[in-house]
Amino acid sequence: GQQVMQIPQYQHVQEGEDFTTYCNSSTTLSNIQWYKQRPGGHPVFLIQLVKSGEVKKQKRLTFQFGEAKKNSSLHITATQTTDVGTYFCAGAGGTSYGKLTFGQGTILTVHP
Amino acid sequence: DGGITQSPKYLFRKEGQNVTLSCEQNLNHDAMYWYRQDPGQGLRLIYYSQIVNDFQKGDIAEGYSVSREKKESFPLTVTSAQKNPTAFYLCASSWGDGSYEQYFGPGTRLTVT
Repeated sequence: GQQVMQIPQYQHVQEGEDFTTYCNSSTTLSNIQWYKQRPGGHPVFLIQLVKSGEVKKQKRLTFQFGEAKKNSSLHITATQTTDVGTYFCAGAGGTSYGKLTFGQGTILTVHP
Repeated sequence: DGGITQSPKYLFRKEGQNVTLSCEQNLNHDAMYWYRQDPGQGLRLIYYSQIVNDFQKGDIAEGYSVSREKKESFPLTVTSAQKNPTAFYLCASSWGDGSYEQYFGPGTRLTVT
């Protein structure tokens, strides 16, 4: 079945440093979504990317969808302590129509 | 989020007992999902339902069962056949298939001893 791999598993940064997490799918995706889960909380939707090569920005967050629609990245500029949490990518399409396949997530810690 | 409720927040059971986790949504969403979350493994899909009275197995359905008799409700039963039931269980809903964002409930942390 479809697999979505996400790296790194953990990332520790100093406040103000940049952060990037990468997501790779074994199959071509129809769309990719990103979620954030704060410690002790539940995943919350951040954004969806649909088009090949698409780039979207939300303040300090930049999301990219690869040209082949098999990979994606989330980049945070100048991290803040409020950015701590686990970031998940989730892909849809191919053999997994009707559901999302989540990556393992990247746990981000930010040291003040 | 605000439109999905899961109860209870914490649940303790003895090995060999079946336990049912509740999930209710008032968002009028057609699709509902159950995920299991273990440390370092992300979210794994247990079961999902895109319409009332219909549901499909996810990636780790063994030892679990569900029903979808009402649009707003999608209870999950963890049976005694589930070998490692201790986990954080998350319910989600969406307007339809994988092209729609999913809204998650607060989760139920199940501990089986």
